[in-house]
Amino acid sequence: AQTVTQSQPEMSVQEAETVTLSCTYDTSESDYYLFWYKQPPSRQMILVIRQEAYKQQNATENRFSVNFQKAAKSFSLKISDSQLGDAAMYFCAYRSAAGSQGNLIFGKGTKLSVKP
Amino acid sequence: GAVVSQHPSWVICKSGTSVKIECRSLDFQATTMFWYRQFPKQSLMLMATSNEGSKATYEQGVEKDKFLINHASLTLSTLTVTSAHPEDSSFYICSERSGLSSPLHFGNGTRLTVT
Repeated sequence: AQTVTQSQPEMSVQEAETVTLSCTYDTSESDYYLFWYKQPPSRQMILVIRQEAYKQQNATENRFSVNFQKAAKSFSLKISDSQLGDAAMYFCAYRSAAGSQGNLIFGKGTKLSVKP
Repeated sequence: GAVVSQHPSWVICKSGTSVKIECRSLDFQATTMFWYRQFPKQSLMLMATSNEGSKATYEQGVEKDKFLINHASLTLSTLTVTSAHPEDSSFYICSERSGLSSPLHFGNGTRLTVT
């Protein structure tokens, strides 16, 4: 079974600075998808960024980028120029490309605080 | 705009009563919906997979007789918490199963409080 591990329960960053959230996963599959979701206090799940495992190029989305290391099974999220609105829970998630399930497997999350 | 509509957003019920939560896809036909539960300060855990026109698939440890799932149409899946108890108080959130390469779209979730 696949697992996702986020080793940082909480992180803090100064406004306008850069922060990196860690995520590792375990799988025997070669084809899969990885996601970072943001969950603000409203608890709405908001997609931040996604990465296809077959792509070597790291995904970027404005101030958000990932460092995808497939061999190491690592998928970290870098937030540049942090803003107060970035404060939230961040979940790393895995999705198999095989089979008929298609559900997400989540890590335990990292609570990000942004200091003004 | 939202592609998955979930109602109610919050509900308070008395112990022993049943509560129904609806999850409706707005932009497409969803043959499969996922139901997750999130306890305070914890991650989302998959409870069950709802399949249109067939029985739901439940994860290990989830009581299918307590959490009734109905997916009678391509746009609507419902989760009914039967004979609710305080330990069922949680945040329930649904998501659609789109193409595998697409991100899952989530409903806004339902905060259930059982008194």
